[in-house]
Amino acid sequence: NAGVMQNPRHLVRRRGQEARLRCSPMKGHSHVYWYRQLPEEGLKFMVYLQKENIIDESGMPKERFSAEFPKEGPSILRIQQVVRGDSAAYFCASSGTGTTDTQYFGPGTRLTVL
Amino acid sequence: GENVEQHPSTLSVQEGDSAVIKCTYSDSASNYFPWYKQELGKRPQLIIDIRSNVGEKKDQRIAVTLNKTAKHFSLHITETQPEDSAVYFCAASRGNTPLVFGKGTRLSVIA
Repeated sequence: NAGVMQNPRHLVRRRGQEARLRCSPMKGHSHVYWYRQLPEEGLKFMVYLQKENIIDESGMPKERFSAEFPKEGPSILRIQQVVRGDSAAYFCASSGTGTTDTQYFGPGTRLTVL
Repeated sequence: GENVEQHPSTLSVQEGDSAVIKCTYSDSASNYFPWYKQELGKRPQLIIDIRSNVGEKKDQRIAVTLNKTAKHFSLHITETQPEDSAVYFCAASRGNTPLVFGKGTRLSVIA
C-alpha cells in the first residue's frame, strides 16, 4: 500500500517561471493538505482540498498560487511567476474520510528559485 | 485562529536520559494533537498522537500527556538513543482540518 507520493522531489526554476508540484494521496484518502516549510522553520498550512473542492485556502497567498484536486489524478499546487522567496520545501499530507484525521506526509518537493 | 507554542527550541540530552517537549495551544475546540519527527531532509513522520478524550497515551519509549484545562500537551521520550536525534513538531487541529504546527524542537542525543 503506497504512501503519499509527491513529484518532482527537487525542482529548480528561474525567477518568473512556473512551478507545478504534484501530490498523490494515500490509497483511500480523499483529503489533501499542502504545507510549506522554509529552511530551519516549522510547517505552515497553505490549502486544504477534497476531490474537486477547495475547502480552506486561508494559508495560501492570494496571488500567483493556486491548487486543485481533480476527480481523476493527483492534486497540483501551482506557483506562477516564481520569486526567490518561494524557495522552500512543499509537503502534502493526506487523511481518510469519516473520523480518520491522521495526516500522513509525502516526501516533499524542494523548490529552488534561481 | 489556533496558535501553538512549543518549548524548548533546542534540547540536548545524554543517551539514556529522558527528554520532554512541551506545547500549548489557544483554541479550546482543538481535539487532536499529533507529534511528528523530522530528520534532516526527510518528511515529517507521525510518532504518536492523542485525542481530547484521553489524558495520556504511551507507545514503548514515547508518551504524550494532554491537559485540556490548561491547554497544553507534552511529549516524553525515555531512554533516549542517538537515533532519536531529530526535529520534533507538535500540532493541533479540530479533526479533519489543517494542522497548526509549533516551531519545532531540535533534539540532540549525545552518546
